[in-house]
Amino acid sequence: KQEVTQIPAALSVPEGENLVLNCSFTDSAIYNLQWFRQDPGKGLTSLLLIQSSQREQTSGRLNASLDKSSGRSTLYIAASQPGDSATYLCASKNRDDKIIFGKGTRLHILP
Amino acid sequence: DTAVSQTPKYLVTQMGNDKSIKCEQNLGHDTMYWYKQDSKKFLKIMFSYNNKELIINETVPNRFSPKSPDKAHLNLHINSLELGDSAVYFCASSQEELAGVIGELFFGEGSRLTVL
Repeated sequence: KQEVTQIPAALSVPEGENLVLNCSFTDSAIYNLQWFRQDPGKGLTSLLLIQSSQREQTSGRLNASLDKSSGRSTLYIAASQPGDSATYLCASKNRDDKIIFGKGTRLHILP
Repeated sequence: DTAVSQTPKYLVTQMGNDKSIKCEQNLGHDTMYWYKQDSKKFLKIMFSYNNKELIINETVPNRFSPKSPDKAHLNLHINSLELGDSAVYFCASSQEELAGVIGELFFGEGSRLTVL
């Protein structure tokens, strides 16, 4: 059974710093891994999707990597801004068609 | 133009009542989901439908009954509401193997259910 873990649960960094959010999964037989952002009281917004055959995806200041062999994905945020403050979730789509979410990392960018 | 829309956004009701949450997607996706996000913000899948057929049912109590009249709609009906049903319920949709991309999920804004 797939388990997705995100550590740390919460993170505070000063504005302008680069940062990395971590996501690990126990079953490497995945179709894809997706990163989302959730603002308080809102739904989830898709940030990046990495297919199982890919190593990374980039969108603006965001870069997501995938290493299936080690069961890890990272989300790199460059030059962080206060508007990046949110909860970031990763989710794996598995061979049984289930999409399993981590519990998220609550990010706070300090102005 | 909202891609995945849910109604109502807020729902406050008494224990024992029956309520429904509606979901519609205009993305042309063939798969729709219901997720429950508890007070600790953990998202857990409840149901998944593909082209109106149930494909995932994650040991949800049978008080919860999803209904998919067509592939653009997936409604959630809950009977005999209990205190523990209070949560935010999210609808989502995805398209399998569209242009080589498998299953990017798009979410609705959520429906916050409070059972008193």
